[in-house]
Amino acid sequence: NAGVTQTPKFQVLKTGQSMTLQCAQDMNHNSMYWYRQDPGMGLRLIYYSASEGTTDKGEVPNGYNVSRLNKREFSLRLESAAPSQTSVYFCASRGDYRGGEQYFGPGTRLTVT
Amino acid sequence: TQLLEQSPQFLSIQEGENLTVYCNSSSVFSSLQWYRQEPGEGPVLLVTVVTGGEVKKLKRLTFQFGDARKDSSLHITAAQPGDTGLYLCAGAVAGNNRKLIWGLGTSLAVNP
Repeated sequence: NAGVTQTPKFQVLKTGQSMTLQCAQDMNHNSMYWYRQDPGMGLRLIYYSASEGTTDKGEVPNGYNVSRLNKREFSLRLESAAPSQTSVYFCASRGDYRGGEQYFGPGTRLTVT
Repeated sequence: TQLLEQSPQFLSIQEGENLTVYCNSSSVFSSLQWYRQEPGEGPVLLVTVVTGGEVKKLKRLTFQFGDARKDSSLHITAAQPGDTGLYLCAGAVAGNNRKLIWGLGTSLAVNP
């Protein structure tokens, strides 16, 4: 039982390049999330998906797009990377019950030069 | 804007000391969670509290949810180096518990 997996673990991009961060969960959860974590800023929600086929913006969606490919997979795309997008990105999933915890992946450390 | 304020932001103590971390808001939460995050990893849930006044214990960690469900505290007794990490609180707003409101975290270092 792998939980939440993310690829890649590390990535360096040049300004203007594009890339997709992949996330998959094997817990049959409906809800999935993408966060970024920056020093002094905490965890900030980029996008989330309450169920397959639906996505909603979080606090900081500008410069990102997402795809909920199926119930297991939720990808995050940077179309034209900027240095301000240098961060650690976490994917999470959650079961649909009151107090349901979020399970996090190991994170992707992205540097944009 | 809904905020969860955590204090202190940083804490460095000696092994064996006690400490308390606070999480405060003006908003009412249907539930509140505490997570611990170690370097290079994602946050991992420690506890969920859902009832005002609730107290939960996890070995040397004691969690309390305020009576009005606006605040919470985490108390660690006789801290050990293995307790070192970033402690995050997160609250679920009534009517929308799919999204969590996150505190900025308390970075704890326990020195041997």
